[in-house]
Order: sequence, then structure tokens, then C-alpha cells
Amino acid sequence: EADIYQTPRYLVIGTGKKITLECSQTMGHDKMYWYQQDPGMELHLIHYSYGVNSTEKGDLSSESTVSRIRTEHFPLTLESARPSHTSQYLCASSVMVTGELFFGEGSRLTVL
Amino acid sequence: GENVGLHLPTLSVQEGDNSIINCAYSNSASDYFIWYKQESGKGPQFIIDIRSNMDKRQGQRVTVLLNKTVKHLSLQIAATQPGDSAVYFCAETLQGAQKLVFGQGTRLTINP
Repeated sequence: EADIYQTPRYLVIGTGKKITLECSQTMGHDKMYWYQQDPGMELHLIHYSYGVNSTEKGDLSSESTVSRIRTEHFPLTLESARPSHTSQYLCASSVMVTGELFFGEGSRLTVL
Repeated sequence: GENVGLHLPTLSVQEGDNSIINCAYSNSASDYFIWYKQESGKGPQFIIDIRSNMDKRQGQRVTVLLNKTVKHLSLQIAATQPGDSAVYFCAETLQGAQKLVFGQGTRLTINP
């Protein structure tokens, strides 16, 4: 059983609000990722980190930002949410790049 | 860039039958492949992986086949059970690419 946690699981907010999605893992993994997924669709990488103070943008352009101040914590922030940000956001971590990713349960965001 | 896709978006099988889920990829340099299972409302879970120096790998009730000649990956599930109902994603990575690329997913439905 993977030890990676995301909060909140569900969030409904109004346009223009600032939100932070939390992701924490207790496995000591250096590599962490954020994926965006619409229902039943593929996962798109939006951010990744290979260690503390390291963050990179993924393949899908996103207005969100991330930070990696501690190994176990990789929060994602939207400064001003819009309806187009409505989606599920999945956090993952791994030991190696070419290895198993451990996923959290996801944060389903709805922006009205 | 890499392109990982699935031949069929949905697959229905009878309980007890074997299931075969297919995946095509376009980057012949990809050297590591993973199958994930995603149940409704949950994050993806690792099923099985295979490296490009192999053409077959077996797990518990699952087998992954890799055909590098035609750039095709398949997941075989033996004696399908109701708990196998989920969306299945293949993913690939290229050594040095530093990230996993996911395909579109196939929804597997088990008929009683």
C-alpha cells in the first residue's frame, strides 16, 4: 500500500479564488509528479520535481505552480481559479524515473 | 514526441473469460513500459512493467507482451473477475526522458 496522500479529495470553489492542493508522501521518494486527468481520459504531466528546490514544467501547459521545500511535500497552487481548471489532479512519487509511480487518490477540483 | 495510445476505448468481457487490452506506441526508442489500473474515484495502481530487452513478463493472472517490431504492447488478464473492472492505461518512458507518458486508457467492463 502506497503512502502518498492528497487533500482535499473534492473541492468546489468560485472563479478567482486561490487554491492549494496538498500532496505528501512518507516513502522518502525524491521524485514527485502532478498529473491532470479529465474523467476517463489519459493523464497529462503538468509538473515534476526530482528533489528539494527542483521543479520543472511537464508536457501540458498549466497555470498552476508548485514548490518543493521538503522532500515529502509537493503542493500545487492556482492563484486565480477558472472553470477551465476543473479537472482531477493526481500526485505521484517514485524512486526512479524508469520505475513504478505511486499515486495518491486524487483531488477533484470544480470551479464554478 | 512520444505517443502512446490504445486501440479500443472500451472492452466488455464475460466473467471468467480472458481479457486482452492493447496499446500502440510510436517511439521506437522507448525502453520501459508499465500498465496501470484505475478504479473509479481512485488513483492509478501499478499492475506490471516490462523493459525493452524482454518480450513477455508474467505476474499473478496478468501477462504483458511487448512486440518491438510493430511497437505494440498488450495486457492479458486471465479468468477476468468483477474486481478487474477499471480503466487500464499503458505508459512508456524513454531512458533519459525523465518522465512517463500515458496512453488514452481502455475501460474494461465485466459482464456477469
